[in-house]
Amino acid sequence: KAGVTQTPRYLIKTRGQQVTLSCSPISGHRSVSWYQQTPGQGLQFLFEYFSETQRNKGNFPGRFSGRQFSNSRSEMNVSTLELGDSALYLCASSLGTAEGTQYFGPGTRLLVL
Amino acid sequence: QKEVEQNSGPLSVPEGAIASLNCTYSDRGSQSFFWYRQYSGKSPELIMSIYSNGDKEDGRFTAQLNKASQYVSLLIRDSQPSDSATYLCAVETGGFKTIFGAGTRLFVKA
Repeated sequence: KAGVTQTPRYLIKTRGQQVTLSCSPISGHRSVSWYQQTPGQGLQFLFEYFSETQRNKGNFPGRFSGRQFSNSRSEMNVSTLELGDSALYLCASSLGTAEGTQYFGPGTRLLVL
Repeated sequence: QKEVEQNSGPLSVPEGAIASLNCTYSDRGSQSFFWYRQYSGKSPELIMSIYSNGDKEDGRFTAQLNKASQYVSLLIRDSQPSDSATYLCAVETGGFKTIFGAGTRLFVKA
């Protein structure tokens, strides 16, 4: 089975711009979770989608949003970028049960200048 | 209080020794617990999952769970230099939200 894919792998943006990141889960997986990883804060939960519905979200401002399509692919969007948004953004796919193992993609590294 | 706490390390052990990694969590309702390994520049990969009290063994790895004490641990026997990585404890807190600890950096000296 193909693994989780994320595009793009690297991005450089300037403050105030917006960005859209994409995640394609493992075939058959209906849950996609998004995380932000920074050296100072570690891996922080952004949100989780299952069958096009957001089931939970973390403590991030409304500038961070996401969606999931009928084929389980997911996108996250960050508007009005700030310097502090520079991070590795990881998505993880799973079957969507509480016991389900999450499989991570390679991540998108975002640099905001 | 952080929801999932780990000693950030670094934890340094000689090759062949047992490495012991610990994690505590705050949500008593948590039911699913995971250990991930993350090499520098790579994404996390699952090592072990554990759902009930007691020990679970998989090769050189043993996960231990004590829900009464809200404590999860990972033992790595016969540590190898290739085990040098950051180990992340993750807790599914209900509502399909997984909280990760900050990670413990492990160095295995040859």
